[in-house]
Amino acid sequence: DVKVTQSSRYLVKRTGEKVFLECVQDMDHENMFWYRQDPGLGLRLIYFSYDVKMKEKGDIPEGYSVSREKKERFSLILESASTNQTSMYLCASSFFFATSTDTQYFGPGTRLTVL
Amino acid sequence: KNQVEQSPQSLIILEGKNCTLQCNYTVSPFSNLRWYKQDTGRGPVSLTIMTFSENTKSNGRYTATLDADTKQSSLHITASQLSDSASYICVVRAGWAGNNRKLIWGLGTSLAVNP
Repeated sequence: DVKVTQSSRYLVKRTGEKVFLECVQDMDHENMFWYRQDPGLGLRLIYFSYDVKMKEKGDIPEGYSVSREKKERFSLILESASTNQTSMYLCASSFFFATSTDTQYFGPGTRLTVL
Repeated sequence: KNQVEQSPQSLIILEGKNCTLQCNYTVSPFSNLRWYKQDTGRGPVSLTIMTFSENTKSNGRYTATLDADTKQSSLHITASQLSDSASYICVVRAGWAGNNRKLIWGLGTSLAVNP
């Protein structure tokens, strides 16, 4: 079974803090993704990576950065957390970027609250 | 504008009953359509993926249909169980192989199965 793990299930941070969310997958997937999910807005793509050290902006990259130094690990960084970044953050990974039917496997999510 | 709309927004049924969830999309060019199940506080899990040429696809008690002409899909759940209580999200992939491929997420239908 594919396993995608996220470093924390719940996180509480203060405005202005630098926040690191980590994601690890154990299936040797090339692609990894970071989403945020908010009520009424659904899942929105923040960043994705299709290889080590490669990254591409998603739909809402502002205020976020990412790092992928190893194939199995993809980190999301909030440089200076703000209250509007309070959300559920979901990491996903997938195989075969070249085929259109690649399935994304999601982690359990991190519920981040910024006070 | 690429869009995925789901109905109803929420649904309550009794255990053992059947139900059908709807998904309408305006996505071009269409690549494939997926249904995900998301339990409360968890990441989405893929149920089915359907390409342009597939009309029906089953996964246990879940059956998805696709009408590419009318740009509609449905997810039928047979003999519902309490564990079916979740949000069901319709996702359409736009574009073909390459950097133009993109997932368009619906907002989901929240299903509650009561005993």
